Amino acid sequence: DVKVTQSSRYLVKRTGEKVFLECVQDMDHENMFWYRQDPGLGLRLIYFSYDVKMKEKGDIPEGYSVSREKKERFSLILESASTNQTSMYLCASSQNRVDYGYTFGSGTRLTVV
Amino acid sequence: GDSVTQMEGPVTLSEEAFLTINCTYTATGYPSLFWYVQYPGEGLQLLLKATKADDKGSNKGFEATYRKETTSFHLEKGSVQVSDSAVYFCALSDRDTNAGKSTFGDGTTLTVKP
Repeated sequence: DVKVTQSSRYLVKRTGEKVFLECVQDMDHENMFWYRQDPGLGLRLIYFSYDVKMKEKGDIPEGYSVSREKKERFSLILESASTNQTSMYLCASSQNRVDYGYTFGSGTRLTVV
Repeated sequence: GDSVTQMEGPVTLSEEAFLTINCTYTATGYPSLFWYVQYPGEGLQLLLKATKADDKGSNKGFEATYRKETTSFHLEKGSVQVSDSAVYFCALSDRDTNAGKSTFGDGTTLTVKP
């Protein structure tokens, strides 16, 4: 079964820490995405990538960076975690085709204390 | 730009009731349309899709028809079960903007009571 795997289901980090969220897909998809999901705010796109070493800002990139050194792996980095970054983080991947849709990971629930 | 508007929730139904969740869209080009489902504590899963006008996507008893004339893609199910309780997201992918990147609605929470 094809998969998008996020490294952690739950994380608790301290304010000011540098946090890495890892996402790996085994479908050879070109595109990968990071979203955050908060109650009442839907899905908000943080960053996405169309190819290795390529990245583009989404709607809310402030406070985040990303890395895509290999096609299958897309990492989200919180440079200095803050309490307002407490959220559910969702990784997704897709082919570069309009009819394909996304495959999502199970999500990482990050709490910053 | 592209956008997706879903009916506001939450929606609460009794088991075996008929479900409709409305979804309308605006798009620059000719999009593909999707419904995703998110069960509590999990990521989203693709539920069904339609790629051209008048196509009907279906899965697990859910259906949605691509209506180009009304720019709609409403989700329906004839008889809901408690296990259908989840958040449902409508989405589109538009070749004219970016083939692999989707625009999502805000989600509609469905609760089914026994």
